[in-house]
Amino acid sequence: AQSVTQLDSHVSVSEGTPVLLRCNYSSSYSPSLFWYVQHPNKGLQLLLKYTSAATLVKGINGFEAEFKKSETSFHLTKPSAHMSDAAEYFCVVSDLRGTYKYIFGTGTRLKVLA
Amino acid sequence: DGGITQSPKYLFRKEGQNVTLSCEQNLNHDAMYWYRQDPGQGLRLIYYSQIVNDFQKGDIAEGYSVSREKKESFPLTVTSAQKNPTAFYLCASRTSGEKKETQYFGPGTRLLVL
Repeated sequence: AQSVTQLDSHVSVSEGTPVLLRCNYSSSYSPSLFWYVQHPNKGLQLLLKYTSAATLVKGINGFEAEFKKSETSFHLTKPSAHMSDAAEYFCVVSDLRGTYKYIFGTGTRLKVLA
Repeated sequence: DGGITQSPKYLFRKEGQNVTLSCEQNLNHDAMYWYRQDPGQGLRLIYYSQIVNDFQKGDIAEGYSVSREKKESFPLTVTSAQKNPTAFYLCASRTSGEKKETQYFGPGTRLLVL
């Protein structure tokens, strides 16, 4: 069975400092992994995805994530936070064999302080 | 513009009433999904459909029903059997073809009970 754990429900950073949002997954085979961002009362927007190609994945708005199989992690990072990054972020693992279902983490709310 | 539209943005339900949430996509995607989002939780799968005229129950299907008569449309009905319907509902569709692992989301419908 697959699962995903977002280790922090809330993260606060100052504007201009690095962002780290942590995600660990469990999967019996090589998974596909995604990060989505959600602003209040909006749908989810895809930030980036890992699908067994390069382990360092670059996404939109300066975000990137590294797939580490040995640590079963897929942490999201950004070198310098911007006020507009304040939102909720979801780590997602997918089952691409048959059911095509997606398992969502419980989300990390990022607060950016001026 | 290609995308996923959901309507209405806000929906009010009276006790004992069935209501239907609309989801339309013009991305030519085969698969479509309905999720429910509650505060502090990740998205939970209600129903999904991988092809026209076929759909499967997700993890929390009780009190909900769907139809998939057209590729572009996947309406969700919240029935009177759903005792706690207040939530944010998100529709998604998945890319078809070789790289068919990515979900794209609509803007959501917030359902409130009067």
